[in-house]
Amino acid sequence: DAGVIQSPRHEVTEMGQEVTLRCKPISGHNSLFWYRQTMMRGLELLIYFNNNVPIDDSGMPEDRFSAKMPNASFSTLKIQPSEPRDSAVYFCASSAAGGTRGEQFFGPGTRLTVL
Amino acid sequence: DQQVKQNSPSLSVQEGRISILNCDYTNSMFDYFLWYKKYPAEGPTFLISISSIKDKNEDGRFTVFLNKSAKHLSLHIVPSQPGDSAVYFCAASGSDGDMRFGAGTRLTVKP
Repeated sequence: DAGVIQSPRHEVTEMGQEVTLRCKPISGHNSLFWYRQTMMRGLELLIYFNNNVPIDDSGMPEDRFSAKMPNASFSTLKIQPSEPRDSAVYFCASSAAGGTRGEQFFGPGTRLTVL
Repeated sequence: DQQVKQNSPSLSVQEGRISILNCDYTNSMFDYFLWYKKYPAEGPTFLISISSIKDKNEDGRFTVFLNKSAKHLSLHIVPSQPGDSAVYFCAASGSDGDMRFGAGTRLTVKP
């Protein structure tokens, strides 16, 4: 298996632009997670899905952030409009365990820079 | 609110010696704990976990200890190897689905 796939690996954009990050989970996994890593706040859980349904989005920082999972093999995290403070590494992870229990498999991350 | 704390941002150990990474949590609802290892430019990878019904879990060179009364867990690596040099994250999960990560500890194992 190719593992969790994220695209793009790097994204540089200007303030105010829309940014879309993409994730393909491991086939057969029924939980998907979006994380943000910054120097100041470490690794934060933004939102997670079970069977394509958003379960907990309390970590989503603002209404500018939205996430979708239209099917079991694809998810997006969108920031509109983007701001410089959104600059971070965004990780997607998937799990077969269901919920936040058990081992999660992380993708390589998307490094976002908002100028 | 930092519900999971790794108070040591870095740790340096000689090859062959024991590495001890510590983690404290404040939320008594957390009942499942995990350690992840992260190399530069890669996503975190799962290392070992422990449920609150146990106080120790061992997997090869890695052992996690849980002290529920102190709300403290630790990861022991023995013997430490240069390839263990990475950032280690502690994570805690509750039955309500809440999950928090610590800020990480950078371990350097010197040959």
